[in-house]
Amino acid sequence: DSGVTQTPKHLITATGQRVTLRCSPRSGDLSVYWYQQSLDQGLQFLIQYYNGEERAKGNILERFSAQQFPDLHSELNLSSLELGDSALYFCASSEGQGKSPLHFGNGTRLTVT
Amino acid sequence: AQSVTQLGSHVSVSEGALVLLRCNYSSSVPPYLFWYVQYPNQGLQLLLKYTTGATLVKGINGFEAEFKKSETSFHLTKPSAHMSDAAEYFCAVGMNYGGSQGNLIFGKGTKLSVKP
Repeated sequence: DSGVTQTPKHLITATGQRVTLRCSPRSGDLSVYWYQQSLDQGLQFLIQYYNGEERAKGNILERFSAQQFPDLHSELNLSSLELGDSALYFCASSEGQGKSPLHFGNGTRLTVT
Repeated sequence: AQSVTQLGSHVSVSEGALVLLRCNYSSSVPPYLFWYVQYPNQGLQLLLKYTTGATLVKGINGFEAEFKKSETSFHLTKPSAHMSDAAEYFCAVGMNYGGSQGNLIFGKGTKLSVKP
């Protein structure tokens, strides 16, 4: 058990809809990262927050946004969903940045129909 | 820019045989390197990491990896494969920043199959 909790485990929704994925980091971890895993793109870094502030952006679409709350949990919001957004979305957390390993949650599997 | 290349999307070995999963990286600064394993329907679990110091790194489940700067490689090995090692393995490189960024760049993964 990594200590990172993601909800929900599965999400099925229709094109054009909006969903919110939630992540609770490991106790004591200040950094939260979001990754998207798909068969064709592999693991793609989306965005990182550190202690409530956005710190790095990767291949995140404008239709996607995230935030980290004062209690350090994070939410990833995906809107105007398209079929191609179907993927596994992972949250990871770490103590600090750079050399710290990431601890991953079990992911949210999003299916857009 | 940093990048990671994992040679071979699928590797198959017999139980008891040597496991060798290849990873080459590209980085303009001293890298931090990681290997993760992903079992079906689970998240990624850290196997081992190299930050500084000894270039031969031992991890969990009998795996080890050697950082070779001259070859820009960080190959993962295990002397004797078990059926339970069947999973997907990801190599990743992290930035040696003193500052704010800490995301990892992952390779595309190598699926390891173990035959009885």
